Amino acid sequence: EVQLVESGGGLVKPGGSLRLSCAASGFTFSNYAMTWVRQAPGKGLEWVSSISHSSTYIYYADSVKGRFTISRDDAKNSLFLQVNSLRAEDTAVYHCARDRGNNWPPAAFDIWGQGTMVTVSS
Amino acid sequence: DIQMTQSPSSLSASVGDRVTITCQASQNIRNYLNWYQQKPGKAPKLLIYDASNLETGLPSRFSGSGSGTDFTFTISSLQPEDFATYYCQQYDNLITFGQGTRLEIK
Repeated sequence: EVQLVESGGGLVKPGGSLRLSCAASGFTFSNYAMTWVRQAPGKGLEWVSSISHSSTYIYYADSVKGRFTISRDDAKNSLFLQVNSLRAEDTAVYHCARDRGNNWPPAAFDIWGQGTMVTVSS
Repeated sequence: DIQMTQSPSSLSASVGDRVTITCQASQNIRNYLNWYQQKPGKAPKLLIYDASNLETGLPSRFSGSGSGTDFTFTISSLQPEDFATYYCQQYDNLITFGQGTRLEIK
């Protein structure tokens, strides 16, 4: 079964850090660009960051640039998001998602994880 | 940045109704437009890619059209499982989602 499972979320104080992980299974992870999308409670979807296969290209949303770092370990079929200098407005469910057609730049996301919740509060 | 404006933001309809949601881009995005369905507590699900292509295995009551700045998503005959929130998403320049359309039972 093709699957993405996120972990690493939690409650953190403003200014704190977390490392989010996304474990992939059921497909050849190294062939696909991957993306993080977040959703604040009761709000819509917000694209966060994308990474190409082989990590050659990386994009970030302006709202997280300089604070978040996306990476991948193809040997471990894993995607990561290091989130630093967290703010209250970063509170959200963070989903990882696979690009549908192995495209770059990213295009459509056909496989999504259920997400991991990040809560930033003092 | 490309802004995506969906309308309406919410919609009430009945089983069997034909429903249309529109998405307008702030600039020409060619056909680089996708549609997703999201149910409460669940991950989004890709329905339509490249403006008009139905994702494999999905029912033909879902359809999409448009190019440039104006796009439409249609459900030809609403089924009970279709009540959800729908999002458009552009990929002409980075990624932007519309604000969502909540489809509720009348």
